[in-house]
Amino acid sequence: AQSVAQPEDQVNVAEGNPLTVKCTYSVSGNPYLFWYVQYPNRGLQFLLKYITGDNLVKGSYGFEAEFNKSQTSFHLKKPSALVSDSALYFCAVSPGYSSASKIIFGSGTRLSIRP
Amino acid sequence: EAQVTQNPRYLITVTGKKLTVTCSQNMNHEYMSWYRQDPGLGLRQIYYSMNVEVTDKGDVPEGYKVSRKEKRNFPLILESPSPNQTSLYFCASRLAGGLNTQYFGPGTRLTVL
Repeated sequence: AQSVAQPEDQVNVAEGNPLTVKCTYSVSGNPYLFWYVQYPNRGLQFLLKYITGDNLVKGSYGFEAEFNKSQTSFHLKKPSALVSDSALYFCAVSPGYSSASKIIFGSGTRLSIRP
Repeated sequence: EAQVTQNPRYLITVTGKKLTVTCSQNMNHEYMSWYRQDPGLGLRQIYYSMNVEVTDKGDVPEGYKVSRKEKRNFPLILESPSPNQTSLYFCASRLAGGLNTQYFGPGTRLTVL
């Protein structure tokens, strides 16, 4: 079965330190990979996506993610965390190009940045 | 401004009282979808629509109905709500093609007593 795993419910980081939010997936073929962020009382906002090409993808707010096909991972990273990065982060996978391709979401990781 | 709108944002109702949550997008997107978000479960798809008059079930369709009579609108209907449908609901839309980014509405928090 196709799935997305975010192994950490919560990640705590001090402001100014690097952060990593982990995501692994199990999807056949060449998937499209996404990260979304959800701030309190808001809908999900797109951060970045991997379609093809360079394995390192840069997105909004200084975030980046590295696609690793051999490890089937797409970890979200930022070199220096800000308190304003505190939010709920979702990894998502789309199995293919078809319009019917259903995006599969992970369970979310709550990122908490302490001053 | 390109956006997905949902109404109402908050709703408290009682078991069995029919309700509709509206969703509208102004980006001419073909694909629209409804999700529910529950703690620890992430987002689960309820229904989706690939275009006008084309809808299909997602992972958790029981107790819900949808319609897609116009491209911009995709209402979610709960004919007889039950307490286990208490949740946070999101509407989303995107262009056709699985590589396209989904845009989400602000969410509707529903409580069924």
